[in-house]
Parts: sequence; C-alpha cells; structure tokens
Amino acid sequence: GAGVSQSPRYKVTKRGQDVTLRCDPISSHATLYWYQQALGQGPEFLTYFNYEAQPDKSGLPSDRFSAERPEGSISTLTIQRTEQRDSAMYRCASSLSGGGGGETQYFGPGTRLLVL
Amino acid sequence: DQQVKQNSPSLSVQEGRISILNCDYTNSMFDYFLWYKKYPAEGPTFLISISSIKDKNEDGRFTVFLNKSAKHLSLHIVPSQPGDSAVYFCAASAKTGRRALTFGSGTRLQVQP
Repeated sequence: GAGVSQSPRYKVTKRGQDVTLRCDPISSHATLYWYQQALGQGPEFLTYFNYEAQPDKSGLPSDRFSAERPEGSISTLTIQRTEQRDSAMYRCASSLSGGGGGETQYFGPGTRLLVL
Repeated sequence: DQQVKQNSPSLSVQEGRISILNCDYTNSMFDYFLWYKKYPAEGPTFLISISSIKDKNEDGRFTVFLNKSAKHLSLHIVPSQPGDSAVYFCAASAKTGRRALTFGSGTRLQVQP
C-alpha cells in the first residue's frame, strides 16, 4: 500500500479482556516494528519482524504481549488480560530491508488503546 | 535510563526566524540519527537523518548537525513557517545490537505568524 495502515484507530476495552491490533506495512518493506507510546513521550520499542522471523522481542513488557507476522506482511499485536497500565498509543512502523541500522522507518497513524 | 534526551518540551519562534531543536544521547553505539515530525492525530513523519560519518546534512530549510564528541545533535529550520508547528522527535539507532529506534520525548514547536 501507499503507507503504513493500522486498525482499529481507537479501541476501548475492559480490564481483563484480550485485544488484537493490526498493522499493514508498506508492501515492499521487509521489516516491521511495533512501538508503544505513552502520553508526552516518544515511542518505545516492543518487537520487530524481518519477514516472518521475530529476531527481537525484548521490548515486550510481559508475556501477556505477543505479536505475529505469519506471512511476512500483515502483523498483529495481541494483549491478553489487559490492564489499565496497557493504555497507550501503539504504533507500527516498517522499513525497506533487513532491519539493519541506518534505515528510515515509516510510521502508521497508531491505535489508541484505552483499558477501563 | 533515557538514552536519547530532548530537554526542551516546547519552543516558540516567530515566522521567518530560525528554529533550533536540540537532542542529546548517551549511547556511543548509536550511529544513525533521525528527526521525525508529528502533527496531531497522525503518525510521526520522517524529516531528515544523518549518519555518524557526517557532521551535517541539509535538505531545503532543514539542516541537522551532529557533534559526536559532545553526543549532541540539533535540527535547524530556516526560515520557520507556521506549517512547521508540530512535535519534533529525535531518534537514534545502532548498527549492531537492537535495530529499533530509540526516541526522545519530543519538542513541541510553535511558529507564530
């Protein structure tokens, strides 16, 4: 596609529910990143994919967070048993090649998650 | 431990003047630096980048300066325009280790007409 898209744009859920967020990267891009952004802060790394492989998930805050990219294109981020502290903007970004340093990442509009 | 710091949360500048946004970093492994611009309700948009082998990169009204010894970079916007009003994020990445970007907390720039 022309840019990175994310859905839904807004999600309100009750504590304890599971949520799944979706990212559709730029079609030619091999690498996909997930970030979490708190209000008034910059995005913080969660995990990334190089095609289907997930070389680094060190930023995921707990085992309630998981991500998939089964066919190397669209990715989902799932948060199980949501907690109020999970409320944040979740941003997806993609970059052209293998995720090496020195590459520009292009961001989607984000999904704002509110856990009540 | 914030590895990328933007110590000015906000900056106000008159139209036509120079805007200077600053960023400091602590991780000596960082070798690629980027500035992103963010409008409300949109994702961050890439603006300009610089590799650690350079000390300056220019693109139209935007210039990024890198001082490796001071671990400091700055973004200069000349002349500033009201449409430049946005939040600007500094980000850095390393060639080895984690490939993700590490962001500062952002500076809100307001350009007054």
